[in-house]
Amino acid sequence: GEDVEQSLFLSVREGDSSVINCTYTDSSSTYLYWYKQEPGAGLQLLTYIFSNMDMKQDQRLTVLLNKKDKHLSLRIADTQTGDSAIYFCAATDSNYQLIWGAGTKLIIKP
Amino acid sequence: GAGVSQTPSNKVTEKGKYVELRCDPISGHTALYWYRQSLGQGPEFLIYFQGTGAADDSGLPNDRFFAVRPEGSVSTLKIQRTERGDSAVYLCASSGDRGNGYTFGSGTRLTVV
Repeated sequence: GEDVEQSLFLSVREGDSSVINCTYTDSSSTYLYWYKQEPGAGLQLLTYIFSNMDMKQDQRLTVLLNKKDKHLSLRIADTQTGDSAIYFCAATDSNYQLIWGAGTKLIIKP
Repeated sequence: GAGVSQTPSNKVTEKGKYVELRCDPISGHTALYWYRQSLGQGPEFLIYFQGTGAADDSGLPNDRFFAVRPEGSVSTLKIQRTERGDSAVYLCASSGDRGNGYTFGSGTRLTVV
């Protein structure tokens, strides 16, 4: 079955770009998502990409998909303190169920 | 409603008791999902409803867990004979269309003491 992996922590300086990486195993995954979870809050859908796309940009967010390597990344430009959160990568399996990574905690240094 | 609503937001119960957690999805969303999230982990799938029927309940950990969605909107997750290991945040999500992602509620934090 599908497996989604992410590194657990990323530390960046305020104003720099953050790049959060994710790998998945099921090459038939149709949709790939990035969710944000702030402390004590629910999961907020940030963006998603369809598997026939290489890139999607939405304001400060850029998603890159390398389908050959089954690698997804989320770039946050000009990282701010409000971006501190856990970022989850998720991929659909053959039944369109979401399979989740364990989340990457983004730490912003002043 | 405008978003997915979950009640209660917090529930503390004694070991062995029965609890019900409620989810009110976005109006018109046919798909409804229950997940469980423990500290430091991603969401763990429990059950998925398409309309009134449970399309996939393979994530329910054992027969103490049960969920219903009798009219195809509000869903209730029921846990019998709660154990301390059931302590987690229980998340509900709804979706109107495949691919558009799920909208999550804020969750119910269940603590079994």
